[in-house]
Amino acid sequence: GNSVTQMEGPVTLSEEAFLTINCTYTATGYPSLFWYVQYPGEGLQLLLKATKADDKGSNKGFEATYRKETTSFHLEKGSVQVSDSAVYFCALSDSYNNNDMRFGAGTRLTVKP
Amino acid sequence: DTGVSQDPRHKITKRGQNVTFRCDPISEHNRLYWYRQTLGQGPEFLTYFQNEAQLEKSRLLSDRFSAERPKGSFSTLEIQRTEQGDSAMYLCASSFSRGQPQHFGDGTRLSIL
Repeated sequence: GNSVTQMEGPVTLSEEAFLTINCTYTATGYPSLFWYVQYPGEGLQLLLKATKADDKGSNKGFEATYRKETTSFHLEKGSVQVSDSAVYFCALSDSYNNNDMRFGAGTRLTVKP
Repeated sequence: DTGVSQDPRHKITKRGQNVTFRCDPISEHNRLYWYRQTLGQGPEFLTYFQNEAQLEKSRLLSDRFSAERPKGSFSTLEIQRTEQGDSAMYLCASSFSRGQPQHFGDGTRLSIL
């Protein structure tokens, strides 16, 4: 079945450091890939998405490229801020799978000033 | 458009009691999803609706759980005879169609005493 595996956290970085959170997936079809972010006490917010191979999703300085050959969708940001501290979830949506969304376990990021 | 709203935000109840949660999706979204999220984990799919039809239920959804979306707008999730293991965050999400990004509410946190 479909699944998503994320880099285990927590991740702690200093402000302005480079961020990478690894995500790999297993899917039967041609999934769309997403990164969601969850701030304390809130629901998940869509951060970025990519719908086909080689697409790059980007938002708020975050980027992720859909790599079909390595079945990966790693999240990157060149210079993190304290306000980026949150839990990040990688997810996939497969048109063959009626319930659509499979989430990774999440990676908690803490950015220190 | 005010986004997906869930009510209540928090619910504390004694074991064995029944609880009901409400979700109001984004108005033009046909699909509505329920997830459960426990600490340190990503959301786990429970069930989803296409308009008023409940199209799929996860094995996580025991007989004590029931969900409805009577007019294809808001939805309710009821848990009967609550157990300690039901303590979790219950998230609702909606999307325009299959494969489209899901928009999440802030969740209802259930605590069973």
